[in-house]
Amino acid sequence: QVQLVESGGGVVQPGGSLRLSCAASGFTFSSYVMHWVRQAPGKGLEWVAFIRSDGSNKYADSVKGRFTISRDNSKNTLYLQMNSLRAEDTAVYYCAKDRNWAFWYWGQGTLVTVSS
Amino acid sequence: QSALTQPASVSGSPGQSITISCTGTSSDVGGYNHVSWYQQHPGKAPKLMIYEVNNRPSGVSNRFSGSKSGNTASLTISGLQAEDEADYYCSSYTSSITYVFGTGTKVTVL
Repeated sequence: QVQLVESGGGVVQPGGSLRLSCAASGFTFSSYVMHWVRQAPGKGLEWVAFIRSDGSNKYADSVKGRFTISRDNSKNTLYLQMNSLRAEDTAVYYCAKDRNWAFWYWGQGTLVTVSS
Repeated sequence: QSALTQPASVSGSPGQSITISCTGTSSDVGGYNHVSWYQQHPGKAPKLMIYEVNNRPSGVSNRFSGSKSGNTASLTISGLQAEDEADYYCSSYTSSITYVFGTGTKVTVL
């Protein structure tokens, strides 16, 4: 069965950096587009970025130039490097597996808090 | 990219049907059939309910159905049950090769 497990969240000061990981299992990770989606406390879902199997990617305007999505197909792991963090980046970050342009499976999420 | 517009809340009695709308533009909802719907219970990860406008993943109740007309997609829940009380979000692929979510709708079962 598909399993996605995020890690790496925590408390970071404004302007700081953090790297999130998403360990995938139960499917051929290298064959699928993967996404990061976030949800600020009490707010709605916001798409952050996706990466294709060949490493090509796309970002939401709100994180472009600050966040970098990457993947290690040999480790079945998705990453999100977050730099120049702002208070408005505070959210639960989910990784999700794509199929048919939809988010088919989600991890449990990891909380990132940007605060001084 | 602006969020797709959904009603903040929709309510219904058990057994009734409700419909949640999701309005975008010709650059997202109206331009592609890549519209999906998600159910989220408090403190839980979202769950895919509908993909490609009107397709249900295996295991999702046939009480959930989707449709689209122009720039507006809709999710209908028939035979409303207490367990359907949750937040619902639509999502669409966009002409910018990105994705956008709706503002979210809280469904209350009276």
